[in-house]
This record gives sequence, C-alpha cells and structure tokens, in this order.
Amino acid sequence: ELKVEQNPLFLSMQEGKNYTIYCNYSTTSDRLYWYRQDPGKSLESLFVLLSNGAVKQEGRLMASLDTKARLSTLHITAAVHDLSATYFCAVDFGNEKLTFGTGTRLTIIP
Amino acid sequence: KAGVTQTPRYLIKTRGQQVTLSCSPISGHRSVSWYQQTPGQGLQFLFEYFSETQRNKGNFPGRFSGRQFSNSRSEMNVSTLELGDSALYLCASSGGLTDTQYFGPGTRLTVL
Repeated sequence: ELKVEQNPLFLSMQEGKNYTIYCNYSTTSDRLYWYRQDPGKSLESLFVLLSNGAVKQEGRLMASLDTKARLSTLHITAAVHDLSATYFCAVDFGNEKLTFGTGTRLTIIP
Repeated sequence: KAGVTQTPRYLIKTRGQQVTLSCSPISGHRSVSWYQQTPGQGLQFLFEYFSETQRNKGNFPGRFSGRQFSNSRSEMNVSTLELGDSALYLCASSGGLTDTQYFGPGTRLTVL
C-alpha cells in the first residue's frame, strides 16, 4: 500500500526555537513536495525535492530528501508567528497523483 | 501568470441534488487533478486528466465523475449528493519539468 506518514500531527513551538517535521513514505519515490495550508485556504507550494540528497531552503524553512531511508524533513529555524500553518508532504509514486501525509499543524507561540 | 481558478467558491446543496464544479488551470498546463479534503479523511485524490483523458482515478464511488475540455479546463460532477460529500474540493494543475501541482482556492461544498 502506498502510504505517507507525517509526524508530529500537532506541534506547538515557542518563537525563536528550532524544530523538524518528519515525512516517511512506504515505497520508492524520488519526487516529494511540501505544501503549506493556512486555515480556510488552499495549498501553497513550498518545496519540490526531486533526487536523493536534495536540499532546498527558503527563509526559515529547509527541506531535505533521503530516498534510501524514504524520509523527508522540513526544518524550521528560529520560528516566527507567521509560520503558523498546517504543513503537508506529498509523494509522487509515479501513478499520476500525489499521496498526501496527514499534515502537521504548527502553532508558534510568542 | 494567472493561477488556478475554481468556481464557484462556495456551494450549499441538499441531499440528492447534483453539483458541478469548474477548474481553469494555469496557462500551458495540461494536467488537472482533483482532490477532496475533509477533517476526517484528509486530502484524498479523486482523478487526474491530461489532454482530455482520465489517467488515474481515486477510490470514490461512481457518483463522482469528471472531464477535461480541449482548452484543459476541467469539471467535476457529483450526483445524488450525500451529507458526507461536504468537503473542500481542490483542483490542481501541473506542467513543466518539476510537475509541481499548483492548487486553486478550492470550492467549499456543504450538503444539508
């Protein structure tokens, strides 16, 4: 079965702290995406990771992909309130669709 | 470049009715995918179209159908609505080297 698991499901962080969201998937893929969703809104594309060892950074967010471990991480550095949102990873298993993780609801506390 | 657009943004229907949702992809994108998002089931794939052909279909009953036109615009239809069909329906288009799916604002469907 093609599965994508994210953890944690909920994350409450203090501003200025660092944390990591993990995304594990069940079978081979070298195409993984990270999205952000604000309450009541649609999905915003954050990162595209297309090969083993890929690392992308944008501001306080950094994503990486280890295809051998079937693991991607989204690292948050020195969190700020604006980063509060739900973050999804999604995997393309080569079947013309994205399989999404459950999402991580991130709340940044002042 | 204009993003993905979806109409209508909000819909309220009653059980047994049918509904049609529309999606216009980013210019030049030929692939359109549809997803259903609910608090309980998360984001679930409905179907994907490329050049007017359905290439993949998710695990939804036959009441859910879709089509794509020659200009890549897509519609999805849900017949005989049930309470459980209440959800946010998201359309995404993709194209180019990375095949990133860009999502529209969604249609929030409420079935009473």
